[in-house]
Amino acid sequence: GIQVEQSPPDLILQEGANSTLRCNFSDSVNNLQWFHQNPWGQLINLFYIPSGTKQNGRLSATTVATERYSLLYISSSQTTDSGVYFCAVEITGGSNYQLIWGAGTKLIIKP
Amino acid sequence: KAGVTQTPRYLIKTRGQQVTLSCSPISGHRSVSWYQQTPGQGLQFLFEYFSETQRNKGNFPGRFSGRQFSNSRSEMNVSTLELGDSALYLCASSFRTGAYEQYFGPGTRLTVT
Repeated sequence: GIQVEQSPPDLILQEGANSTLRCNFSDSVNNLQWFHQNPWGQLINLFYIPSGTKQNGRLSATTVATERYSLLYISSSQTTDSGVYFCAVEITGGSNYQLIWGAGTKLIIKP
Repeated sequence: KAGVTQTPRYLIKTRGQQVTLSCSPISGHRSVSWYQQTPGQGLQFLFEYFSETQRNKGNFPGRFSGRQFSNSRSEMNVSTLELGDSALYLCASSFRTGAYEQYFGPGTRLTVT
């Protein structure tokens, strides 16, 4: 089956730093999403980005579908950015779909 | 607009018992998907319901089942609980079927002893 790999697995930064998180996938996908799970377990959809670049405030994401990777950029990090960032790819087979998740990047922002 | 709500938030059960979890989607959303999150396996897709019909299913045994009501609320049932079923169970709602722009609830933390 399709493999979704995220790097780095852990990242510790000082407040104000910038970071780049990577998601590689092993096969063609229909869509890709980035999520943030805060320390209390709440999962928030950040981007729905099958290809191209999107920006939302200090966060932006780029997916290069032909090369099977996506990047999530976080600029001027704040402590509230801490948590785990997941990418998930959507694959379909007939009328069915599956959302396959990466293992996540755990981000800790120190004040 | 109210978010996705899940009840109960925490649950402790013993092996062999069964459990029912509830998810109320965002108003107007007709799709509800369920996920299991464990430290070892990460996030795994369980199933999706849309307009009271199961549209998609992940690779879980038949002990895991679900249903959706006419008001789009969904329940997930796990029978004959095993220790490995201990997990955070998340539901997500969307206005259309599939994984498009899913909004997640806070989860139900199930502990099986």
